[in-house]
Amino acid sequence: QVQLQESGPGLVKPSETLSLTCSVSGASISGYYWNWIRQSPGKGLEWIGYIFHSGSTNHNPSLESRVTMSTDTSKNQFSLRLSSVTAADTAVYYCAKSGFCSGSTCRNNWYFDVWGRGALVTVSS
Amino acid sequence: EIVMTQSPATLSVSPGERATLSCRASQSIKTNLAWYQQKPGQAPRLLIYDASTRATGIPARFSGSGSGTEFTLTISSLQSEDSVIYYCQQYNNWPPFFGGGTKVEIK
Repeated sequence: QVQLQESGPGLVKPSETLSLTCSVSGASISGYYWNWIRQSPGKGLEWIGYIFHSGSTNHNPSLESRVTMSTDTSKNQFSLRLSSVTAADTAVYYCAKSGFCSGSTCRNNWYFDVWGRGALVTVSS
Repeated sequence: EIVMTQSPATLSVSPGERATLSCRASQSIKTNLAWYQQKPGQAPRLLIYDASTRATGIPARFSGSGSGTEFTLTISSLQSEDSVIYYCQQYNNWPPFFGGGTKVEIK
């Protein structure tokens, strides 16, 4: 079955860039939409954005232009970078899968059927 | 942005009894709603999508209903392992948005 695993630094200083990678097993990264979602006590669950294997991305406008996402098809991984972090970005970050492809047609159904275990990222000096 | 409101915040139910959780959308989302279950220290797990379709492997005691702005997740006979937090999520409008959750407790 499809499994996801987040990795990256657990501590980031304010104003710096948070970087996380999600490793995908059991499925090709070329077949689905790959999302980042975070969960903090103050804001609950918040969708950050998705990336498709073609490189197209879509992110939550609440994060303005701080979000960058990329894929590495050779490693079957995708990544998140969140710039200019503050304490409000402290959260558990999840990667999650959505959508499907049938033949050459792909559709994002916008609900998340497989999740990683999550990575706690704390923003503190 | 569509706001999702879940009620009650905490629900106490006796083992074997029915649990009814509510989720309200600030405007119509048709049936574009999902429900998730989250156990302590774990990621959310998809239970229901399209308001009433059970995800793969989800027990039949979980059912979803509703359309428009009012939705319900029902656990027909509460088991001890069901005593966790449940979230709804709309995906009719962009961006997708989650509710604040309902914690189900064993009475």
